[in-house]
Amino acid sequence: DTAVSQTPKYLVTQMGNDKSIKCEQNLGHDTMYWYKQDSKKFLKIMFSYNNKELIINETVPNRFSPKSPDKAHLNLHINSLELGDSAVYFCASSPRATSTDTQYFGPGTRLTVL
Amino acid sequence: GIQVEQSPPDLILQEGANSTLRCNFSDSVNNLQWFHQNPWGQLINLFYIPSGTKQNGRLSATTVATERYSLLYISSSQTTDSGVYFCAVDNTNAGKSTFGDGTTLTVKP
Repeated sequence: DTAVSQTPKYLVTQMGNDKSIKCEQNLGHDTMYWYKQDSKKFLKIMFSYNNKELIINETVPNRFSPKSPDKAHLNLHINSLELGDSAVYFCASSPRATSTDTQYFGPGTRLTVL
Repeated sequence: GIQVEQSPPDLILQEGANSTLRCNFSDSVNNLQWFHQNPWGQLINLFYIPSGTKQNGRLSATTVATERYSLLYISSSQTTDSGVYFCAVDNTNAGKSTFGDGTTLTVKP
């Protein structure tokens, strides 16, 4: 069984649309993350949630809104998509929101904005 | 924020060769992880190693926390080792990992 899963795997959409990416982990972890990987492979953290509470919010446009209905799910909703939002978005989880844990990554969602 | 530098940026090897990848960081850290991103994009955790030495098969890693660097050793490389190797560090105690730019490894048959 997949530990961290994301849907969809690929997402192609027009500028200005609103889209969501879903993430689920079955590891029983308390903490989940969203990362963005750009075309140059740079990986940067966007958000993290611990037990449904937001604990990290990097300088991300407010068009991006994470939602955690429970600690096993962290969804990412993006409003008014722009060309620069094209990237691979990774979800990850770790046992706790501390520095002492290994992070496990999902397979990624490749978003292409036309 | 903390700076993470990885070297070399690119590395091409013949199958069977050994290699060393380096990660330098600018501040003391609570967490250091090495990841492999395979050609299909999957990020796989190799080591959690804020200090000391660990080995897993042909891979091993050493972190010298006092000197702010970590090394990833790959021995007897195989074509399946190809991909991008990332070092990620955290000095916030909040799970906020900062990734290096990666080393792209190509292993030729």
